Amino acid sequence: QKEVEQDPGPLSVPEGAIVSLNCTYSNSAFQYFMWYRQYSRKGPELLMYTYSSGNKEDGRFTAQVDKSSKYISLFIRDSQPSDSATYLCAMKETSGSRLTFGEGTQLTVNP
Amino acid sequence: DGGITQSPKYLFRKEGQNVTLSCEQNLNHDAMYWYRQDPGQGLRLIYYSQIVNDFQKGDIAEGYSVSREKKESFPLTVTSAQKNPTAFYLCASSIGTGRGLAISNEQFFGPGTRLTVL
Repeated sequence: QKEVEQDPGPLSVPEGAIVSLNCTYSNSAFQYFMWYRQYSRKGPELLMYTYSSGNKEDGRFTAQVDKSSKYISLFIRDSQPSDSATYLCAMKETSGSRLTFGEGTQLTVNP
Repeated sequence: DGGITQSPKYLFRKEGQNVTLSCEQNLNHDAMYWYRQDPGQGLRLIYYSQIVNDFQKGDIAEGYSVSREKKESFPLTVTSAQKNPTAFYLCASSIGTGRGLAISNEQFFGPGTRLTVL
């Protein structure tokens, strides 16, 4: 069983839709939770990060962490065609520097 | 401009050849990483280095080798022992390790090198 499982998609939505991207994990030692966005043929870029449980909002993006359920989500409101990309969740324990990534979800927002 | 550069962008290799992928950063980061990305498998860690002259194997180190002689540079060699080397290779760096600071957890990625074995 993989430490991090992510809905693989692909996901196709109309412009303006609310998008929900999700990951589950099995390692209870994970404390840092991140979402990276990767455009085609580019390197990933950090979109949001959260420490432990809770919500974090940044513009149209909201990250949620539920450690009791080992479940994290990224919500995108009023989705735009420019949001079309692959979204990767990543997690890390408190010590060390290794990130564990999900498989990525490919999102297409249609105008 | 601070950032991470990878070269070349595209690389073609014949079977049986070793090739070296370059990764340079001018962010003054201590830690550097190499990942391999295949369709549907996310990013898998090949090797990482937390400090100059030291590195550790990741989850899929077989058939790869690295060196970390300078803080700025972390080249990856794909050897002929790697049975399925065709993939997208990503280099990343971060400030440091295990300092308990959220900022130190962010990994910055280069643009990647696409390696194809002919």
